[in-house]
Amino acid sequence: GAVVSQHPSWVICKSGTSVKIECRSLDFQATTMFWYRQFPKQSLMLMATSNEGSKATYEQGVEKDKFLINHASLTLSTLTVTSAHPEDSSFYICSAGPLGGGATNEKLFFGSGTQLSVL
Amino acid sequence: SQQGEEDPQALSIQEGENATMNCSYKTSINNLQWYRQNSGRGLVHLILIRSNEREKHSGRLRVTLDTSKKSSSLLITASRAADTASYFCATDEAGGFKTIFGAGTRLFVKA
Repeated sequence: GAVVSQHPSWVICKSGTSVKIECRSLDFQATTMFWYRQFPKQSLMLMATSNEGSKATYEQGVEKDKFLINHASLTLSTLTVTSAHPEDSSFYICSAGPLGGGATNEKLFFGSGTQLSVL
Repeated sequence: SQQGEEDPQALSIQEGENATMNCSYKTSINNLQWYRQNSGRGLVHLILIRSNEREKHSGRLRVTLDTSKKSSSLLITASRAADTASYFCATDEAGGFKTIFGAGTRLFVKA
């Protein structure tokens, strides 16, 4: 089946630094990718929809200047957590779906997630 | 945004027993999916049920969908210790491309 690769799987950084997380679709092209955040023992909250070649669409309450999304190609979207602080520590997961066949969420595949710890 | 509630929030059972988790959602949907997540790991897709289906089976899993009540249930029969995980329902929120997750149920199966 289709594979979505997410890197790194975990990262520890100092407060105030920026962290970039990559999401790649390995064997299909994805016009749209999604970024989720998950705090411990909570559900996945959709942060933003990443659109190739255009600006990302952010969910209500998510700071677009804090969480920079770049979807420069049909196989890669990046999420940069800028000036990270301890409250940004979370599990971040991306998902992507192949082009064609109608845009439905039935064909979305999830990355393995990135655990971010900000000291 | 989050679609709705799942209950129970946590469930502890003995190995061999059945586990039932419920999910409610708010908008019209085209499909509802159930995912499993082991602690600190990525998601594993379990099963998808479309809005015109009422019940679906996959191995020890049985999913029901009641669109009139906007609810679904996941039944795991003959549970095993390895089934210990968090389980989430997810919908396509009014038939869009996004996947929106429920709050999740943490299942603990005691050996």
